This record gives sequence, structure tokens and C-alpha cells, in this order.
Amino acid sequence: GQQVMQIPQYQHVQEGEDFTTYCNSSTTLSNIQWYKQRPGGHPVFLIQLVKSGEVKKQKRLTFQFGEAKKNSSLHITATQTTDVGTYFCAGRRGSTLGRLYFGRGTQLTVWP
Amino acid sequence: DAGVIQSPRHEVTEMGQEVTLRCKPISGHDYLFWYRQTMMRGLELLIYFNNNVPIDDSGMPEDRFSAKMPNASFSTLKIQPSEPRDSAVYFCASNTRRLNTEAFFGQGTRLTVV
Repeated sequence: GQQVMQIPQYQHVQEGEDFTTYCNSSTTLSNIQWYKQRPGGHPVFLIQLVKSGEVKKQKRLTFQFGEAKKNSSLHITATQTTDVGTYFCAGRRGSTLGRLYFGRGTQLTVWP
Repeated sequence: DAGVIQSPRHEVTEMGQEVTLRCKPISGHDYLFWYRQTMMRGLELLIYFNNNVPIDDSGMPEDRFSAKMPNASFSTLKIQPSEPRDSAVYFCASNTRRLNTEAFFGQGTRLTVV
């Protein structure tokens, strides 16, 4: 079954508005990664979170890893048209460190 | 390194034909993954290898799909016979557990079965 749930599946925002996507795992994760896929492109790594409660920032993007290491979020402040794409979370479990469990992704559309 | 290289980039074939997708992982990576992406099902893991050995093929849809990794620098995903419902983008990705790094994806193969 689905190992990592991600919501929402779609999000449409006006340029300048904020955006958040959420991931939730049924099991504790050893780490979680986030990827971005531009339309017509392939998933590209953004960041990895490892520690419980960790927060990382990349310019307008803020990534959080929950205290229980079962959930994560990506928040974009003041979206721009260049943020358009699908954002995936992907978690690793301790027993199968090589494999990433991908969420379904959130497809972000930004209206100018 | 040129990254993960997939070929062909696009493939259009008739139903019933055999299709072979190819992947060259990044040198030194010991994990290789095959994914299928569709609008309906998202990004699905089909199979993955560690040190050229298939570890989990539970995502392979049915017996028409097979994957091989004869050496550390090459893998194939074969569909025989192909069906229209196999139309999708197929991604290959590689990474290494040693550094617990991210997965590097190839550009993908867009398969259309008519």
C-alpha cells in the first residue's frame, strides 16, 4: 500500500501567495527528501532532512521534519511563476535504506 | 559525470511489439531504480537493484515486464508484448547508500503504445 501520503494533489495559487505541501508516513522514517519536477522534466533533488524536528531553508522554501519523523512539509513563501512544477517528498526507512518511498506529489500552478 | 543516461528519449510502438528501455547509472552508484510515471498513478517504483542484483520487483505490473542489470553500468527494462496501457514516462534513477545521498534521475523515456 501507499507508504507515504502527500497532500494536496493539486494547488493553484496567485503569484505572491504562499504554498504548502504535506507528507505523512505510516512508519518512522530515517530521513526524508524533497524533489521538484518541472513540467516535462524529471525529478530533481532539493533537500534532505535527517533529524527529528529539523527545519531547513532555501531562500523562499522552508522544509520541516516532524518530531516523530513521520511527517514533513514544504512551504514556499510568495510564490513565483518559476515555482511551477510537481513537488515530491520521498522517505527512507531504516530497514531498506537504499529505497525511497515517494509520495504522489503536489502539482503547483502559479497564476501571474 | 554526465548523470543517469536513458535511451531512447521517446518511443512510439504498436501494440504487441517488444519495447526495450535502457539506462546507464552514474558511475559508482550501487542502487538502480526503475519508475513509471502516469497521471493516474503518479510515480511508481517498478523494480530496484543493489549491486546488480534485483532486490524488490513487487512493483512490476505483470509478466510482460522484465528488467535486467548485467553489469554495474547498464540496465534494461523490457515490455513484451506491449499494450496501450503501458504508455507512460519511464524513469531510471541511481544512488548510493554509502553516503545516504539523493536519487539522481535520468531524463526519462516517454513511451507511447498505439
